[in-house]
Amino acid sequence: NAGVTQTPKFQVLKTGQSMTLQCAQDMNHEYMSWYRQDPGMGLRLIHYSVGAGITDQGEVPNGYNVSRSTTEDFPLRLLSAAPSQTSVYFCASSYSTGLVDNEQFFGPGTRLTVL
Amino acid sequence: EDKVVQSPLSLVVHEGDTVTLNCSYEVTNFRSLLWYKQEKKAPTFLFMLTSSGIEKKSGRLSSILDKKELFSILNITATQTGDSAVYLCAVEPTPSGGYQKVTFGIGTKLQVIP
Repeated sequence: NAGVTQTPKFQVLKTGQSMTLQCAQDMNHEYMSWYRQDPGMGLRLIHYSVGAGITDQGEVPNGYNVSRSTTEDFPLRLLSAAPSQTSVYFCASSYSTGLVDNEQFFGPGTRLTVL
Repeated sequence: EDKVVQSPLSLVVHEGDTVTLNCSYEVTNFRSLLWYKQEKKAPTFLFMLTSSGIEKKSGRLSSILDKKELFSILNITATQTGDSAVYLCAVEPTPSGGYQKVTFGIGTKLQVIP
């Protein structure tokens, strides 16, 4: 199993550009999430999905869109990049609630810089 | 709003020392508390503590949960340089609408020097 994969690893954008961060998992997990990690802020939830076709907003959703057309993939779209979106982005997946030790598995992260 | 506070924010110890990392929390309808280790890249899971499992141990790492006082500690004995990392604490409420929104603390940065 590859686990959770993310591409790209690094990205530099100019203000106003759009892009998609890719996330895929091969563990047949129902739940997938996107987090951003900033110094002194911890991991903050952007959007999440409880299954194909079902997404919802997390703590900091503004400026981001998601979709979940398959169980495996959960892309994150930046509509019009802003310097405040400079961060490290992590995708995570897990089985559905109710299982013992239902931890999230994290991807390697994407370091995004917006100039 | 759920909240996780970790202390200390950073810690430098010598190899062989024992360290204790602290995590206090506020959460509506507590389900579990999780500890992760984050080295250069992605967080990796260490422990999950719930009402039915308030102590966990794996090798030199152990953790306890005090549900009454709303805190947890992570102990690392006989520290090694490979323990150098950021340790994240997170809390998970009872799911609402089928998804558990995990809240993370900002982490404790541990540096173990030879």
